[in-house]
Amino acid sequence: SQTIHQWPATLVQPVGSPLSLECTVEGTSNPNLYWYRQAAGRGLQLLFYSVGIGQISSEVPQNLSASRPQDRQFILSSKKLLLSDSGFYLCAWSVGGPGDFGPGTRLTVL
Amino acid sequence: AQSVAQPEDQVNVAEGNPLTVKCTYSVSGNPYLFWYVQYPNRGLQFLLKYITGDNLVKGSYGFEAEFNKSQTSFHLKKPSALVSDSALYFCAVRDMVMAGGSYIPTFGRGTSLIVHP
Repeated sequence: SQTIHQWPATLVQPVGSPLSLECTVEGTSNPNLYWYRQAAGRGLQLLFYSVGIGQISSEVPQNLSASRPQDRQFILSSKKLLLSDSGFYLCAWSVGGPGDFGPGTRLTVL
Repeated sequence: AQSVAQPEDQVNVAEGNPLTVKCTYSVSGNPYLFWYVQYPNRGLQFLLKYITGDNLVKGSYGFEAEFNKSQTSFHLKKPSALVSDSALYFCAVRDMVMAGGSYIPTFGRGTSLIVHP
């Protein structure tokens, strides 16, 4: 069966520091991968999606970037965090269907 | 543009009573519809989906949803609510088709379900 992992689970970072969140998927090949941000515990905002290694599409302009160095690895990064980057970040995968979400990372920027 | 609306920010129901969480959608073609549940500080969990076939779809934890094409709705239901059902519920519709035949889902804003003992 497929499983999706995210780490860290929680992160507190100062403004201006770098960020790296990692997501990995097991049990499937060539999945589509997604990064979402959930602010204030409600709506989901799609940040990036990827259909394959090295292929990244950005949905909204922002202070973040994404990379997919391996088939089942998706990384969310920032060179300098802003206060507005605080939120709950969710990774998701799909292969022709709804797929599944990772457990999420709670990021607090101080 | 394709969209999903969840008209209620919060639904309150007493334990043992039936519950309904509403969802309406707008798509240009045939809809693929989904429900997810999110418990506090957790990722979203898939509950059920409608692709084609029977309008009444059964999913996890005793939930079901009814697809109504004329009303463009996909309401989530459960005959008897449990306190443990209290969570945030998201409706989603299939959005554009990406390369490779997959999709980007469009999510509603979520409805907070509170089941009182």
